[in-house]
Amino acid sequence: DVKVTQSSRYLVKRTGEKVFLECVQDMDHENMFWYRQDPGLGLRLIYFSYDVKMKEKGDIPEGYSVSREKKERFSLILESASTNQTSMYLCASSFRTVNSEAFFGQGTRLTVV
Amino acid sequence: KQEVTQIPAALSVPEGENLVLNCSFTDSAIYNLQWFRQDPGKGLTSLLLIQSSQREQTSGRLNASLDKSSGRSTLYIAASQPGDSATYLCAFLMDSNYQLIWGAGTKLIIKP
Repeated sequence: DVKVTQSSRYLVKRTGEKVFLECVQDMDHENMFWYRQDPGLGLRLIYFSYDVKMKEKGDIPEGYSVSREKKERFSLILESASTNQTSMYLCASSFRTVNSEAFFGQGTRLTVV
Repeated sequence: KQEVTQIPAALSVPEGENLVLNCSFTDSAIYNLQWFRQDPGKGLTSLLLIQSSQREQTSGRLNASLDKSSGRSTLYIAASQPGDSATYLCAFLMDSNYQLIWGAGTKLIIKP
């Protein structure tokens, strides 16, 4: 079974803190994605990566950065957390083919106070 | 630009009923379509993947169909159970950027 693991289920951080969300997949997938999900707004893509050290901006990259130093790990970084970044964050991965299924982690509920 | 609509936004039915969830789309130039379920406060679980060249896929009590000519996909759930209660989302892969285009989801409640 494909496994996508996010480092935390719940996080509470203070405004201005630097926050790291980690995601690891065990299926040798090339593609990895970070989404945020908010009520009424659905899933919105923050960043994605199709290879080690490669990254592409999604729809809402402002206030975020990412790191992909190893194929299995994709990190989302909030440089200076703000209350409007309180959200559910979801990581996903897939093979780099158009017939590939996307698999998701269990989600991280981040609250910024 | 692809627009994806899931209607209804919420559905409540008694246990045991067969039901259909709808997903409509405006651009038929898709690579694939994927159906997911999401339990409250959790991540997404992949249910079924339909390639552009396929018409349907089945997994247990679930059957998903794809009709590109009408811009419609349906997820059929047979003999519904309370454990099927969740939000169901459809998503389309449109291009080689591998980015999914999402519907807003249908929240399904199965009453015991």
